[in-house]
Amino acid sequence: AQSVTQLDSQVPVFEEAPVELRCNYSSSVSVYLFWYVQYPNQGLQLLLKYLSGSTLVKGINGFEAEFNKSQTSFHLRKPSVHISDTAEYFCAVRTYKYIFGTGTRLKVLA
Amino acid sequence: DAGVIQSPRHEVTEMGQEVTLRCKPISGHDYLFWYRQTMMRGLELLIYFNNNVPIDDSGMPEDRFSAKMPNASFSTLKIQPSEPRDSAVYFCASSLSGNHEKLFFGSGTQLSVL
Repeated sequence: AQSVTQLDSQVPVFEEAPVELRCNYSSSVSVYLFWYVQYPNQGLQLLLKYLSGSTLVKGINGFEAEFNKSQTSFHLRKPSVHISDTAEYFCAVRTYKYIFGTGTRLKVLA
Repeated sequence: DAGVIQSPRHEVTEMGQEVTLRCKPISGHDYLFWYRQTMMRGLELLIYFNNNVPIDDSGMPEDRFSAKMPNASFSTLKIQPSEPRDSAVYFCASSLSGNHEKLFFGSGTQLSVL
């Protein structure tokens, strides 16, 4: 069975500061890893995904994530956040079914 | 493409009533997922279908919940009888085959059971 752990339920950060949202996973088989973003009153949208190859993955809106197999982590980063990045972010793994973490609420402060 | 369409957008009902949530996946997608989102438990996978066949319903909380997919373009999630603890946002999502494929989410149904 696979599982996903997002260690931070809420992350406040000032505008233009860097941010890292943490994600750890466990699985007995190879997985595909994803980050999704949810804006208020909307469904989730894909930010980026890791399938294979380079461990640094770039996504939309300036986000990137690094896959670390030895630490079973897939942390999301952005060097400089904007107010519009305020949203909830979900890490997910997929083998045969799609499992999401509990989410991290990113709040960007002016 | 219209995307994944869910109805109703909001549902308010009384405890004990039957509730039916509906989903139309994106045409051509052969995977369909039902999720429930709450503050306490986050996004939980309830059940998913492949080619209209239920593959894994281990996330369905109890027998009061049932889901069907009579054809490739329609799925329902039914709660009978409903209880206040069922109040949540229910999302439907679809995808193409392949574990690398992303999910396309509907806008969700906000269910309130009084």
